[in-house]
Amino acid sequence: QVQLVQSGAEVKKPGSSVKVSCKAFGDSFSSYAISWVRQAPGQGLEWLGGIIPLFGTPTYAQKFQGRVTITADKSTTTAYMELSNLRPEDTGLYYCARGGVRGELLVWVDPWGQGTLITVSS
Amino acid sequence: DIQMTQSPSTLSASVGDRVAITCRGSQNIDTYLAWYQQKPGKAPKVLVYKSSILESGVPSRFSGSGSGTDFTLTISSLQPDDFATYYCQQYKSYPLTFGGGTKVDMK
Repeated sequence: QVQLVQSGAEVKKPGSSVKVSCKAFGDSFSSYAISWVRQAPGQGLEWLGGIIPLFGTPTYAQKFQGRVTITADKSTTTAYMELSNLRPEDTGLYYCARGGVRGELLVWVDPWGQGTLITVSS
Repeated sequence: DIQMTQSPSTLSASVGDRVAITCRGSQNIDTYLAWYQQKPGKAPKVLVYKSSILESGVPSRFSGSGSGTDFTLTISSLQPDDFATYYCQQYKSYPLTFGGGTKVDMK
């Protein structure tokens, strides 16, 4: 059974960037997609994008294209999500989550990491 | 983008009640739909995928149905552990999109 452990909370200034890590413990890191989903305070879930480490090419939601960069390091079984040009409305919990089917990004996601709180404030 | 609309946004119910949450897609998503449960301060966890397949370990009081644009998550007899927020998610096309959520609280 895989477990995803994310990096700790961050406080950032508007206009800066943040990079969140997601380390996978367990088997088959390379062949399952990692998606990144965010949740604004008291709000719903929004998908930013994802990557299948084996293939290495990320897919992004159009809304975040140009601001988000998702990468994966097979040697350390860690995925990363970097969000640039931060705005106060980017404040929220950022989750990584594994795809439910080997080799597919267009799937349901489970399990999830514990979430990383990103606060954007001047 | 495919918009997912859940109803109701809040549902007040009692232990033992039969509960149904609906999710409608803005276009046909076949059966590429999942349901999640989220409790306060916790990450979501999947309950159902492919519209009606129960994830391993999920109690059989949960069931999913539907295809095309209209879907339902049913809890046959609500238990104390089921008070939570539920989300649907489509995976027919990018970007993956979620419904706005349905909070099930105590009547």
